[in-house]
Amino acid sequence: QVQLQQSGPGLVKPSQTLSLTCAISGDSVSSHSAAWNWIRQSPSRGLEWLGGTYFRSKWFSDYAVSVKSRITISPDTSKNQFSLQLNSVTPEDTAVYYCARKREGRYGMDVWGQGTTVTVSS
Amino acid sequence: QSVLTQPPSVSGAPGQRVNISCSGSTSNIGASYDVHWYQQVPGAAPRFLISGNTNGPSGVPDRFSGAQSGTSASLAITGLQADDEAHYYCQSYDKSLRGWVFGGGTKLTVL
Repeated sequence: QVQLQQSGPGLVKPSQTLSLTCAISGDSVSSHSAAWNWIRQSPSRGLEWLGGTYFRSKWFSDYAVSVKSRITISPDTSKNQFSLQLNSVTPEDTAVYYCARKREGRYGMDVWGQGTTVTVSS
Repeated sequence: QSVLTQPPSVSGAPGQRVNISCSGSTSNIGASYDVHWYQQVPGAAPRFLISGNTNGPSGVPDRFSGAQSGTSASLAITGLQADDEAHYYCQSYDKSLRGWVFGGGTKLTVL
């Protein structure tokens, strides 16, 4: 079955860059029928979609308006994974971060990573 | 303030039926985008339950069903069981925001 395995640091200093990776098994980051997303969850903001990447003859990335100026989500086809980079973080970015797959059609985000708790603190 | 509005909590006795509502706007649910529902227990990632009024993925009991009309949607859970106790979230696409939006979540307590 499809599994997503997240990795990355749990502590990031203010103004630095948060970087997380999501390794895919059982599916392909280059799938024509899936999109690969990052979502975060905090008590103050609830569940918040950050963005996603997908391949449809070429690569596309979509980002939430709230983080668009400082986020990059990119695929790595050689390792079958995708990554999140969030620049200039503040304590407001402290949250549990999840990666998730969204299949085309009438499906929600049906496969999720295990979650990574990221704390922004000096 | 979430784009989709859910009641903070609902409760029901074992065996009963509960409904969880999700209210949106003409930019999301009212624009005929599917509403997806998730279940989350403490310490775990959300689990996808159901989309719109379709059946959920294998492993999701048919006690869970969805409906949507106009700018609202609802999740119905029949034959409540103790392990249904969790937080439930709705999600849809918003064409104005050009992205996925979630409800604030509803905590279901099984009495």
